[in-house]
Amino acid sequence: DGGITQSPKYLFRKEGQNVTLSCEQNLNHDAMYWYRQDPGQGLRLIYYSQIVNDFQKGDIAEGYSVSREKKESFPLTVTSAQKNPTAFYLCASRENTGELFFGEGSRLTVL
Amino acid sequence: GQNIDQPTEMTATEGAIVQINCTYQTSGFNGLFWYQQHAGEAPTFLSYNVLDGLEEKGRFSSFLSRSKGYSYLLLKELQMKDSASYLCAVRLPGAGSYQLTFGKGTKLSVIP
Repeated sequence: DGGITQSPKYLFRKEGQNVTLSCEQNLNHDAMYWYRQDPGQGLRLIYYSQIVNDFQKGDIAEGYSVSREKKESFPLTVTSAQKNPTAFYLCASRENTGELFFGEGSRLTVL
Repeated sequence: GQNIDQPTEMTATEGAIVQINCTYQTSGFNGLFWYQQHAGEAPTFLSYNVLDGLEEKGRFSSFLSRSKGYSYLLLKELQMKDSASYLCAVRLPGAGSYQLTFGKGTKLSVIP
């Protein structure tokens, strides 16, 4: 079955630590996205990538970094510079129609 | 900036019809999506409107008026499993980015 896999589903981090969230897709989509979701807020775009070895900042990129070395993979690193990292993180890939397919999400909690 | 407005919460009765509105003011428009999101889960695609009018898909319909910057999602014959958040998202044009800008979502509670 084609889809998007995010891991881990739940993650706890101490302040000052970097953490990397994994996102893998086997849908053969070129474009991939990372969104952050907070209670009562819409999805906010962190980073996106249109093609391998290229990525662009979204609306709230500060404190985050990404890489796109393979078409299937778009990992997100939440660095210690991110002031309020506790959130639900969603990875998505995009079909040519513009429809986004989302992973199950990763819930990060900073202790 | 981009502005997409939806009601925060709505409550409706099982078996009834509910309409969730979405208004948008954006720098360009290339289509509007509706997604359903159950608590703690990933959003799933419901509908896509790029031209004015009504798109019907089973119990769900979505309407778009580009001149008014307005869309609604209509849910008929409500079921308990329809309790979820409904996200309106506008697709922005330009530079191949195909970004979606999301509203804050409408939390729908279906009661017996």
